[in-house]
Amino acid sequence: ETGVTQSPTHLIKTRGQQVTLRCSSQSGHNTVSWYQQALGQGPQFIFQYYREEENGRGNFPPRFSGLQFPNYSSELNVNALELDDSALYLCASSLAARQETQYFGPGTRLLVL
Amino acid sequence: DQQVKQNSPSLSVQEGRISILNCDYTNSMFDYFLWYKKYPAEGPTFLISISSIKDKNEDGRFTVFLNKSAKHLSLHIVPSQPGDSAVYFCAGRPTGNQFYFGTGTSLTVIP
Repeated sequence: ETGVTQSPTHLIKTRGQQVTLRCSSQSGHNTVSWYQQALGQGPQFIFQYYREEENGRGNFPPRFSGLQFPNYSSELNVNALELDDSALYLCASSLAARQETQYFGPGTRLLVL
Repeated sequence: DQQVKQNSPSLSVQEGRISILNCDYTNSMFDYFLWYKKYPAEGPTFLISISSIKDKNEDGRFTVFLNKSAKHLSLHIVPSQPGDSAVYFCAGRPTGNQFYFGTGTSLTVIP
């Protein structure tokens, strides 16, 4: 059974640029959630995708957007990057019927200069 | 708005003793709580959960207690082992699918 994988592991961008982060969910999981974890903070929910549709969103502006593909992998896109977007971005997959238990990937560390 | 709070950033415990990690929440609509463990350079790993209809859930060395009137939950690890050294996050969910995480407590188990 393959776990949740994320790419890239690290990324450096400059303010105003756009970034795409990728996530492959655990085998058989059709739900993916994205989180932002700033330094010294807990993960903050960005949004969730279920069967290729957005299925809930946290308090993040529209420049944070996502996609889920038929194979349940997912992308997080962030436009017009700001310095405060520097964080660890985590994705988590789950079976929709048991979404209490989420399995997290190792994260992508984004630095915005 | 921090709906889940872990007021102790760090905790040190001797191997073999009990570790107690605490978590407070403000949202009375939370119906499910989880604890995650996180090692450096890894994503959080699910540890144990509890539904709001229960006040205790046990899994091996790990027990979570929920006090709804006090809006407080705690994770007990007995006996503590050096491999338990990690950052522990608690999370709560109101009806829906958004989890709110605390800021974490770094546990160090001293051999």
